[in-house]
Amino acid sequence: DTAVSQTPKYLVTQMGNDKSIKCEQNLGHDTMYWYKQDSKKFLKIMFSYNNKELIINETVPNRFSPKSPDKAHLNLHINSLELGDSAVYFCASSQVGGSETQYFGPGTRLLVL
Amino acid sequence: GQQLNQSPQSMFIQEGEDVSMNCTSSSIFNTWLWYKQDPGEGPVLLIALYKAGELTSNGRLTAQFGITRKDSFLNISASIPSDVGIYFCAGRPEDDKIIFGKGTRLHILP
Repeated sequence: DTAVSQTPKYLVTQMGNDKSIKCEQNLGHDTMYWYKQDSKKFLKIMFSYNNKELIINETVPNRFSPKSPDKAHLNLHINSLELGDSAVYFCASSQVGGSETQYFGPGTRLLVL
Repeated sequence: GQQLNQSPQSMFIQEGEDVSMNCTSSSIFNTWLWYKQDPGEGPVLLIALYKAGELTSNGRLTAQFGITRKDSFLNISASIPSDVGIYFCAGRPEDDKIIFGKGTRLHILP
């Protein structure tokens, strides 16, 4: 069974569009994250949610809005997509107070044309 | 902010060689993690370290949590073609979030 899943795996869209990426984890973890990996493969944290509450919000344009309907889901909505948003977006989860090891999803490859 | 330096950035080795990479931090860390990312996939945890001086192995991989708590290394013995990928260190400073190194890209020459 997949521990952390993301949909879609690939997303190609036009500049200016609004799109969402979904993430679900079945590990029972209480913390979920969104990371952006650029073309140089640098991983940068964007958001972290603990029990549906935002606890980390790095310097990210407010066009990016995470939504956590429950602690097993953390979706990422992006408004007015720009060329520079093209990247791979990874969802991850961990259990705070446990090992705190983060488990990553397979990634969503976003290409903005 | 916290700094995490991972080196080398890239390695080109022959199959069968041993590999060593390391990460150093500007401050004390409580946790060190090593991940591997295969092309087209998400990072997968290889080894987690929680105590200074801890030495942990996972098959041909060995990682250590430095005594000063400011560094960690990962060794791979007798490399094989499937070891190709990007290796990330990650660490958690005291009272702060986990941060990732910039990765070591391992290439194995034919």
